[in-house]
Amino acid sequence: GAGVSQSPRYKVAKRGQDVALRCDPISGHVSLFWYQQALGQGPEFLTYFQNEAQLDKSGLPSDRFFAERPEGSVSTLKIQRTQQEDSAVYLCASQRGGNTEAFFGQGTRLTVV
Amino acid sequence: AQTVTQSQPEMSVQEAETVTLSCTYDTSESNYYLFWYKQPPSRQMILVIRQEAYKQQNATENRFSVNFQKAAKSFSLKISDSQLGDTAMYFCAFTFYNQGGKLIFGQGTELSVKP
Repeated sequence: GAGVSQSPRYKVAKRGQDVALRCDPISGHVSLFWYQQALGQGPEFLTYFQNEAQLDKSGLPSDRFFAERPEGSVSTLKIQRTQQEDSAVYLCASQRGGNTEAFFGQGTRLTVV
Repeated sequence: AQTVTQSQPEMSVQEAETVTLSCTYDTSESNYYLFWYKQPPSRQMILVIRQEAYKQQNATENRFSVNFQKAAKSFSLKISDSQLGDTAMYFCAFTFYNQGGKLIFGQGTELSVKP
């Protein structure tokens, strides 16, 4: 595709609900990253994939957060039993590989009520 | 710990004037890249400029330039001839050569360009 696509753009979840956020990276991009951006803050790293392999998940805040990229393309970030502190914008970025430019999607704004 | 500090939460500048955004960082590594990203209200992060730590020459990209002081761990962004479209949040960030591109961001500076 022309750019990184994320869906949905907005998601409202009731506390305790499970949510799934999708990221469709630029075709052919090997690396994919998820970041969490709280209101008024800079993005914080969550996890990183190289193709289908999850190489770094050190930023996932709890075991309620789970990410996958089964075929090395589309990725899904799943949050189980959402809490109010999970409210944030979730950004996805993809790179051709190595230390090339990262291209970001427009993010999903998650609001937990 | 690897950190990025942007000490100016908000800045404003008149159209056509020059503004400088500050950034300092802390790392014990010697091989890394530094970036400035722009985030307009659409939320999409856009790369403004990039600097490789081993290069002494400051990066320039049209109206955007950096002042990179490696010993001081300082990486400021200068925007010349500011335009209304430059209004956005600006984030300073860095990544290490061997981490595949994982970015560490600062807290951001909200820049308003006034007509």
